[in-house]
Amino acid sequence: NAGVTQTPKFQVLKTGQSMTLQCAQDMNHEYMSWYRQDPGMGLRLIHYSVGAGITDQGEVPNGYNVSRSTTEDFPLRLLSAAPSQTSVYFCASSQDRGNTIYFGEGSWLTVV
Amino acid sequence: AQSVAQPEDQVNVAEGNPLTVKCTYSVSGNPYLFWYVQYPNRGLQFLLKYITGDNLVKGSYGFEAEFNKSQTSFHLKKPSALVSDSALYFCAVRDINAGKSTFGDGTTLTVKP
Repeated sequence: NAGVTQTPKFQVLKTGQSMTLQCAQDMNHEYMSWYRQDPGMGLRLIHYSVGAGITDQGEVPNGYNVSRSTTEDFPLRLLSAAPSQTSVYFCASSQDRGNTIYFGEGSWLTVV
Repeated sequence: AQSVAQPEDQVNVAEGNPLTVKCTYSVSGNPYLFWYVQYPNRGLQFLLKYITGDNLVKGSYGFEAEFNKSQTSFHLKKPSALVSDSALYFCAVRDINAGKSTFGDGTTLTVKP
């Protein structure tokens, strides 16, 4: 099983550039989310989705957009990259609202 | 609003000794509690969860966790630590109404030979 697949694994951006982090899951999970992980700050929720066509903001949504056109895919868009967005990004999915979360392997983003 | 606290940034134990990684939580309603482990440069992996039932929950790799409602705690334990248990451990609470999870800041466990 592929599980949750994130691409790219590593990316360097210049300030002001835009990009999309891709996320796909093959488990037919309804719930998907994006987190960022920064040293000493644990995981912080950026955006989440409870099903195709439905998205909502998490704890730190500014500077990011998401869409959920299919159950499988949940891309995260950085509109105008800033150095403060240098982080490790994790996509995750779960079958329902009370169930175990499955994580992708992470995307390391550096904004210079 | 729900929250999770992991009061120790770092836990050091000797191989073969028991280990405990602490977690306390705050949530309205019944808690859905989870432990995850993260190895270097990898995503988080599920260890165990408490939803209802027995207060002692058994999970992967010999880990277990004890749910204590009165102390709002969900400590992770293992009777005999292995060097390979060295990793970053996260406690999480799930809001089943919103479908959102809140994670603690993580505890780095180091097991020395």
